[in-house]
Amino acid sequence: QQQVKQSPQSLIVQKGGISIINCAYENTAFDYFPWYQQFPGKGPALLIAIRPDVSEKKEGRFTISFNKSAKQFSLHIMDSQPGDSATYFCAASIAGNTGKLIFGQGTTLQVKP
Amino acid sequence: NAGVTQTPKFQVLKTGQSMTLQCAQDMNHEYMSWYRQDPGMGLRLIHYSVGAGITDQGEVPNGYNVSRSTTEDFPLRLLSAAPSQTSVYFCASSTRASNTGELFFGEGSRLTVL
Repeated sequence: QQQVKQSPQSLIVQKGGISIINCAYENTAFDYFPWYQQFPGKGPALLIAIRPDVSEKKEGRFTISFNKSAKQFSLHIMDSQPGDSATYFCAASIAGNTGKLIFGQGTTLQVKP
Repeated sequence: NAGVTQTPKFQVLKTGQSMTLQCAQDMNHEYMSWYRQDPGMGLRLIHYSVGAGITDQGEVPNGYNVSRSTTEDFPLRLLSAAPSQTSVYFCASSTRASNTGELFFGEGSRLTVL
């Protein structure tokens, strides 16, 4: 049973466009929702995270939108750049700092020049 | 800045062989965990530890064993390798002192079981 469902599996965007990746979760006890970015041959690295007491968080070109009632959250990458080409994972956890994350399936993003 | 170090980076095993994937962190983090990454499945938690001497199972623990004798080290043992254990394995660490809950990952160990 996949507790965090991520879509799309892959995404191709033109340089300067907006990339949108969506996630849905089932467990209402989740209270921490991070996004991780992974380049080929590397481990994932934290990109941005949100807690359910806010509906949006923005860091530079990256924004998380959170809809608690729908149990959905999404990552928006504005002005997408070729350097953003990577695999993105959404995740969720309960009592955020225990090191136990439930990850989505991942989205491979390709930004074309 | 070593961070989280995993060895080996690549390993090929035959079915039934055993081996240990090593993981060490130099950040004095309390929490350590092992994930496996498979195409279309994301990362799935195998085992985790909240401190030396304390370990617990994650989503997919079968066929794996862990121990945590020190804060720094968290080895993952494959008891009798099976082709289904072909995967990329990631070790991660984090600290309760962080207000972001950030996991720091190693660069992974790619395991192939023939």
